[in-house]
Amino acid sequence: DGGITQSPKYLFRKEGQNVTLSCEQNLNHDAMYWYRQDPGQGLRLIYYSQIVNDFQKGDIAEGYSVSREKKESFPLTVTSAQKNPTAFYLCASSIQGIKTEAFFGQGTRLTVV
Amino acid sequence: DAKTTQPPSMDCAEGRAANLPCNHSTISGNEYVYWYRQIHSQGPQYIIHGLKNNETNEMASLIITEDRKSSTLILPHATLRDTAVYYCIVRVAHGSSNTGKLIFGQGTTLQVKP
Repeated sequence: DGGITQSPKYLFRKEGQNVTLSCEQNLNHDAMYWYRQDPGQGLRLIYYSQIVNDFQKGDIAEGYSVSREKKESFPLTVTSAQKNPTAFYLCASSIQGIKTEAFFGQGTRLTVV
Repeated sequence: DAKTTQPPSMDCAEGRAANLPCNHSTISGNEYVYWYRQIHSQGPQYIIHGLKNNETNEMASLIITEDRKSSTLILPHATLRDTAVYYCIVRVAHGSSNTGKLIFGQGTTLQVKP
């Protein structure tokens, strides 16, 4: 089945450790996105990538890093510089352009203790 | 970036039409209106999108005003499974590549009641 997969679904880390969240898609989409969601809030854009080897900061990029070495993969690293990393993280992908819908993964819930 | 305004919550009786409003008064001429919904702790699900014409699919209808400053999502026969947070989003064109960021607002929590 085609789709977008995030793993793991739940992730626990100690404060001060970097952690990488996985996002893989087999939809042949050029564009990929990372969002963060806090309880009771909407989604906020962290980073997005329009094409392989290129990415741009979203609204809340501080404390995060990404890479886009392959079309299918867009991993997000939550670094120790992120002041409040506990959140629900969502990855999405879409065809280039604004006329087609983006598809979301099921999310990774990160808890830093 | 264009922003949207939605009521924080709405109720609807099961079997009745749910009409969810959205204001996007700063929308630009080439920006699309998208609707997604999110059931608790899941990824958002695409519902429908449009530019200026009304749109209908198997899930819902989208009515966009002539001046494009507002729109309404219509779920024609709401069921209990339609209880979710509904996001109205303006998809922003970005530079020459025209890849559109989805800028989410707070959404409307729709509660469908028996």
